Parts: sequence; C-alpha cells; structure tokens
Amino acid sequence: AQSVTQPDIHITVSEGASLELRCNYSYGATPYLFWYVQSPGQGLQLLLKYFSGDTLFQGIKGFEAEFKRSQSSFNLRKPSVHWSDAAEYFCAVGPMEYGNKLVFGAGTILRVKS
Amino acid sequence: NAGVTQTPKFRVLKTGQSMTLLCAQDMNHEYMYWYRQDPGMGLRLIHYSVGEGTTAKGEVPDGYNVSRLKKQNFLLGLESAAPSQTSVYFCASMGGRENQPQHFGDGTRLSIL
Repeated sequence: AQSVTQPDIHITVSEGASLELRCNYSYGATPYLFWYVQSPGQGLQLLLKYFSGDTLFQGIKGFEAEFKRSQSSFNLRKPSVHWSDAAEYFCAVGPMEYGNKLVFGAGTILRVKS
Repeated sequence: NAGVTQTPKFRVLKTGQSMTLLCAQDMNHEYMYWYRQDPGMGLRLIHYSVGEGTTAKGEVPDGYNVSRLKKQNFLLGLESAAPSQTSVYFCASMGGRENQPQHFGDGTRLSIL
C-alpha cells in the first residue's frame, strides 16, 4: 500500500542554522511528490513538487528537496532557517488510482529558536 | 485571486445537529477533495469528486455526505454530528492533469459538544 512516513514529529533549530526534514514514501511506480507548509490557522501552501527528471528541486522561500529513488526519500532542506519558517510541513505522494488522490504524511512541526 | 474558499471558518455544534460546509473554487478545476486534519494524523481524505455530478468515498467517509451539483462547489454534510467529528476540515481542488498540485482552502474549525 502507498504510504508516506515523516519520522520526526517535532524539530527545533536555531535561526540561521540549516534544516533537513525527512520524508520516506512507499509507491509502486514513479511517484509525484510534494512538500506543503502550513502556518498556524492557515491552509496548506505548496513549497515544491517532483514529477520526473532531476533529483534536486528548488521551491519557494529558499527551500529545496532531493529525490533519492534508491532510498525512497524526498527530504526537504533549507541552508539557513528564518524565524518565519516556523510551521508544520507535510510530505505527500500521488497520484493514487482513480481521482488523482494524494497520501499525506503525519507532518513535522518546525520550531525556530532565536 | 480567491482560489479555494471555505465557509464557515468556525462552527460549534451540539451532538446530533446537522450542518453543511461549503467549498467554492474559481479556478475551473475538475477535481475537488474534502480532508479532515487531526493532531499527529496528517490529512485524511473524507470524500472526493472527479467532476460535476460525481462523488466518491475516501479513507474516512463514515458520518459524512457530499454533493457536487456545480463544478465550482463541493459541499460536505454532517447529518448527525458526533464529538469524534471535532476536527479541522480542509477543501482542496486540482486541475484535470495528474501532475498538478492540489490547492487548499484555509479550513473550517468544527467543534462538536
């Protein structure tokens, strides 16, 4: 069955430090992969997406993600974290059969300390 | 640009009451989805629609009904609300191609007492 695992429920980093959020997926074919960010009280905003081709992808707000097929991973990175990056981050995989559905991970809450 | 609009934003219900959540999108998207978000569980799909007049069950459909009478609107109904349905509900829409991302509304916070 298709699934997404985000191993870290909470991560705390210092402002200016680098960040890596982990995402592992299980999918029977070549997946479409997405990272979304959710600020408190808001909906989900797309950070970046993978469909095919290159393994390193640039998204908005200085985020990037690396796709590693051999490890079934799609980790999110940022070289220098800003206090405004504090939010919850979701990894998702699709498409799922009829309806182009997505399966979401449980999310990782990022805290940034000054 | 409105995108995906959900109404209401907040609601408190008593057990057994009914209500309808409205989702409207102005992007002419074919696909629409209703999710619920609970702490530590990510987003779980309740129902979805692949076009006007169609609906299908997702992962957690029990206790909910949906309708898509117009392409731009997707309604989620609770016929007899239960405390277990206390959650944050998100609507999303997507264009007709499978490699498009889903666009989300800002959510409806629903409490059932």
